[in-house]
Amino acid sequence: KAGVTQTPRYLIKTRGQQVTLSCSPISGHRSVSWYQQTPGQGLQFLFEYFSETQRNKGNFPGRFSGRQFSNSRSEMNVSTLELGDSALYLCASTRTALGLAGGSRYNEQFFGPGTRLTVL
Amino acid sequence: QKEVEQDPGPLSVPEGAIVSLNCTYSNSAFQYFMWYRQYSRKGPELLMYTYSSGNKEDGRFTAQVDKSSKYISLFIRDSQPSDSATYLCAMTTVTVQGAQKLVFGQGTRLTINP
Repeated sequence: KAGVTQTPRYLIKTRGQQVTLSCSPISGHRSVSWYQQTPGQGLQFLFEYFSETQRNKGNFPGRFSGRQFSNSRSEMNVSTLELGDSALYLCASTRTALGLAGGSRYNEQFFGPGTRLTVL
Repeated sequence: QKEVEQDPGPLSVPEGAIVSLNCTYSNSAFQYFMWYRQYSRKGPELLMYTYSSGNKEDGRFTAQVDKSSKYISLFIRDSQPSDSATYLCAMTTVTVQGAQKLVFGQGTRLTINP
């Protein structure tokens, strides 16, 4: 079974530009989450998409946005890049279910290798 | 103050030693507690997770959760050089719809010396 794939793996941009990163989840997984990893702040949650809808969001400015397509593939976009946006951007996919009777349970998030973004 | 605190290390121990990694947290709503391992240039991979307080063992790895103290631990027995990696604790609540938002510790860089 193929894992989570992210493209591109490496990217160099300059301040003020915008960037789009892509994530293809594991086949059958409908939820995709994005995280930013930096040496100073560690891994921080950006947002989660399920069935083309954003259903969870972290504390990032509006320059960070995302979307999910009907095939569950997801993209995230960062506009007006800043030096501090240099980071490893990780995508994770998971199986999930709606309306579980009697509560919910954790489903493992499988991470991709990440996209290393450098802003100059 | 961060929701999850983890000593970033680095931690260096000889092969065969018992390793103890720890995290503390402030949000009592967390339900699930995970340990991820991340090798250089790779994404994190799940080692194990526990629900609520208690112990869980998987081979050389044991995870402990003490919700009363808001403290979780990962023990690695008979450590091997291949265990050298960054270890991240993570926690989450899960909504009835299955939505989850992992909150990570800073990660501890561990080196096992042959």
